[in-house]
Amino acid sequence: DAKTTQPTSMDCAEGRAANLPCNHSTISGNEYVYWYRQIHSQGPQYIIHGLKNNETNEMASLIITEDRKSSTLILPHATLRDTAVYYCIVFTGTASKLTFGTGTRLQVTL
Amino acid sequence: ETGVTQSPTHLIKTRGQQVTLRCSSQSGHNTVSWYQQALGQGPQFIFQYYREEENGRGNFPPRFSGLQFPNYSSELNVNALELDDSALYLCASSFRDYYNEQFFGPGTRLTVL
Repeated sequence: DAKTTQPTSMDCAEGRAANLPCNHSTISGNEYVYWYRQIHSQGPQYIIHGLKNNETNEMASLIITEDRKSSTLILPHATLRDTAVYYCIVFTGTASKLTFGTGTRLQVTL
Repeated sequence: ETGVTQSPTHLIKTRGQQVTLRCSSQSGHNTVSWYQQALGQGPQFIFQYYREEENGRGNFPPRFSGLQFPNYSSELNVNALELDDSALYLCASSFRDYYNEQFFGPGTRLTVL
């Protein structure tokens, strides 16, 4: 699986957009970009995934660059409940394992 | 639709003992994966079961073993517990025949004294 690089931590004011970057320069053509988040002491929660097109769902938007070497997760209106560790993961849809890095710790503040 | 459930929530064992953790997959899922998460780290893949067969294993010793049952529920067994086995153990289920988006349970917190 391709390796990902994320900032260790980020802050965001409540109500503002949170933009979380991820670099995955060695991504292969058949690898998807997945985002999960983990709120303290809970299991990771699936947020969104994409292959090469931008994606949006009720939780977030995923912007993938044209060369697919990086992506950005956007939480359009962050709330205090979005405080969590966010993991960017790349893997093929048929692989058995998700390879988690250390993620980005997002702190949403008043 | 029922989500992934795990039991027990918390567990305390002593070094050398054996432990069994349980997981019920999300309805309609045929694959279960187990992860170990040490404090301050991301989850680490232990193994995956697909249709009752092991289908991939991470860098964990043989004293970590598992089972998947016909109803797709699963067990993680750890023998000869060591202090470093203290961690949050996560179970994730998915429907592998489609794509492997994994849905996680709340985890079991194991403390080894």
